[in-house]
Amino acid sequence: AQSVAQPEDQVNVAEGNPLTVKCTYSVSGNPYLFWYVQYPNRGLQFLLKYITGDNLVKGSYGFEAEFNKSQTSFHLKKPSALVSDSALYFCAVRANYGQNFVFGPGTRLSVLP
Amino acid sequence: GAGVSQTPSNKVTEKGKYVELRCDPISGHTALYWYRQSLGQGPEFLIYFQGTGAADDSGLPNDRFFAVRPEGSVSTLKIQRTERGDSAVYLCASSLLTSGRNEQFFGPGTRLTVL
Repeated sequence: AQSVAQPEDQVNVAEGNPLTVKCTYSVSGNPYLFWYVQYPNRGLQFLLKYITGDNLVKGSYGFEAEFNKSQTSFHLKKPSALVSDSALYFCAVRANYGQNFVFGPGTRLSVLP
Repeated sequence: GAGVSQTPSNKVTEKGKYVELRCDPISGHTALYWYRQSLGQGPEFLIYFQGTGAADDSGLPNDRFFAVRPEGSVSTLKIQRTERGDSAVYLCASSLLTSGRNEQFFGPGTRLTVL
């Protein structure tokens, strides 16, 4: 069975500082990994994905994530946080042979001015 | 519009009633997903369509829940004999292909409240 853990309910960071939102996963087979962001009263928006290839993937709004197979992690990062990055972030995984996407519980990011 | 749309945006109903939630995917997207999101939780998979057929309905919680996609485009999630525990935001998403490599595009959701 697939599962996703986001160990932090809340992450606070000062504007201009680097941010990291953590994600670990469990899946049989090779994973497809995704990050989505949810702003208040809006639908989930795709940020980036890892399918294969380079372990460091770059996505929208300056975000990037690093796939680490040995640690089964896919942490989301940004070098310099903006107040407008404050939102709810979800990590999701799908096995390469399967159909279901499994989402993590979400991490609320607050960027303080 | 260019995105996934869902109607209604809000639905309030009484326990025991029947409700239908509609999803209009992005034109040309063959894959369509339904999720349920409760407060403070991530989306929970319900059902997945590949074209007109339900390729995986393992996430439907019980037989009160049913979904259709008769022409391979619009989908309707149907809930019979609603219960208070069905209250949640129901999300629909579509993607271009069914390989799993493609990201999903989500609609704004329908907030269902069962009184």
